[in-house]
Amino acid sequence: SQQGEEDPQALSIQEGENATMNCSYKTSINNLQWYRQNSGRGLVHLILIRSNEREKHSGRLRVTLDTSKKSSSLLITASRAADTASYFCATGGRDDKIIFGKGTRLHILP
Amino acid sequence: EAEVAQSPRYKITEKSQAVAFWCDPISGHATLYWYRQILGQGPELLVQFQDESVVDDSQLPKDRFSAERLKGVDSTLKIQPAELGDSAMYLCASSQGLGRGSYEQYFGPGTRLTVT
Repeated sequence: SQQGEEDPQALSIQEGENATMNCSYKTSINNLQWYRQNSGRGLVHLILIRSNEREKHSGRLRVTLDTSKKSSSLLITASRAADTASYFCATGGRDDKIIFGKGTRLHILP
Repeated sequence: EAEVAQSPRYKITEKSQAVAFWCDPISGHATLYWYRQILGQGPELLVQFQDESVVDDSQLPKDRFSAERLKGVDSTLKIQPAELGDSAMYLCASSQGLGRGSYEQYFGPGTRLTVT
């Protein structure tokens, strides 16, 4: 079963534009994480936001978390061709287990 | 930078055959996970180890799948017999472990299994 649900399922934008992906979930969480997966490869951890945090930044990434709405967003600013990948949100409890959503496929157009 | 190692990267097998995957986590990581990822979906947890003990194998099809982490370091996932529906990417991940306050998981490159 998958708790997180990303929106949109697919997104194509021009290089240099900002990309925003959203994640909604159903039950209470300890943390929410975002991962990137390049085609046919393993996942790479991008950023973790804890349930008592509202916003977090890492380089060109900005993540927000609204626990009252059970939603999170990932913003990638000034997109590059190398950002083309699938992005997954994963909700975590206190037991070191995380549950992944189905992902957003991001395609950066040259 | 330390990485999670997996082998083989690709495996093609006929249905009803046995297949095994190996994973070596980042040194010192107590928790090890095996995931299955079907094309176009997110990874789904099959089994979670804390050191050599199974923490969660509720989604592991135990009639045909088995997993072990005998010395609490590397791990093997086995499928016997393989079925057509087992075709997927099998991902291994590790994390520092319970109670250490770090929840990030580090993934290996995965094994792409094709059952014919």
